[in-house]
Amino acid sequence: NAGVMQNPRHLVRRRGQEARLRCSPMKGHSHVYWYRQLPEEGLKFMVYLQKENIIDESGMPKERFSAEFPKEGPSILRIQQVVRGDSAAYFCASSLTGQGVSYEQYFGPGTRLTVT
Amino acid sequence: TQLLEQSPQFLSIQEGENLTVYCNSSSVFSSLQWYRQEPGEGPVLLVTVVTGGEVKKLKRLTFQFGDARKDSSLHITAAQPGDTGLYLCAGAEGTYKYIFGTGTRLKVLA
Repeated sequence: NAGVMQNPRHLVRRRGQEARLRCSPMKGHSHVYWYRQLPEEGLKFMVYLQKENIIDESGMPKERFSAEFPKEGPSILRIQQVVRGDSAAYFCASSLTGQGVSYEQYFGPGTRLTVT
Repeated sequence: TQLLEQSPQFLSIQEGENLTVYCNSSSVFSSLQWYRQEPGEGPVLLVTVVTGGEVKKLKRLTFQFGDARKDSSLHITAAQPGDTGLYLCAGAEGTYKYIFGTGTRLKVLA
């Protein structure tokens, strides 16, 4: 399967715990994007990363949220001290390049985070 | 921040009927994508339109990008139950940041 992979698919955390969401881009893709989808709402851009670089994190809350895309391994979205309002579906997308038509973004199946 | 409005929000039709979904903005996009999302899954890319006035066909689906690149439409001919899902349009703000519409939830009854 050469698609975008995300794990876990479902994650339950108690308030105050940390959540780590992983994303492996499509083979050959070096650009990763994270989106959040609240129930009955559209997807909202959070952050755009290339290998070892954060290009645009304008959609990510300033506190408790961080993202990385290391040279080796998957991209990780980390949410510290989770609160109930963090409950949502988090989607990762990847693209071949960051510009031109090749920046078509392909989405993974998402991680559904539930904070109890 | 640009906004994308989709209409209708909900659509329930009988198998074999035709339908059109609209995606409108007051701003210009460099490109626009249409996705379909099924419950519990991620959006699946259907098409990308880039040029104003462009029309693309994908089997029974016809996509059109407005001349001014501010709006788009998706027309489905002879809808089938397998077309059921959430249809999302996404406009490219700049080169990579997508602005998503709130979606049109389509249900096709057999």
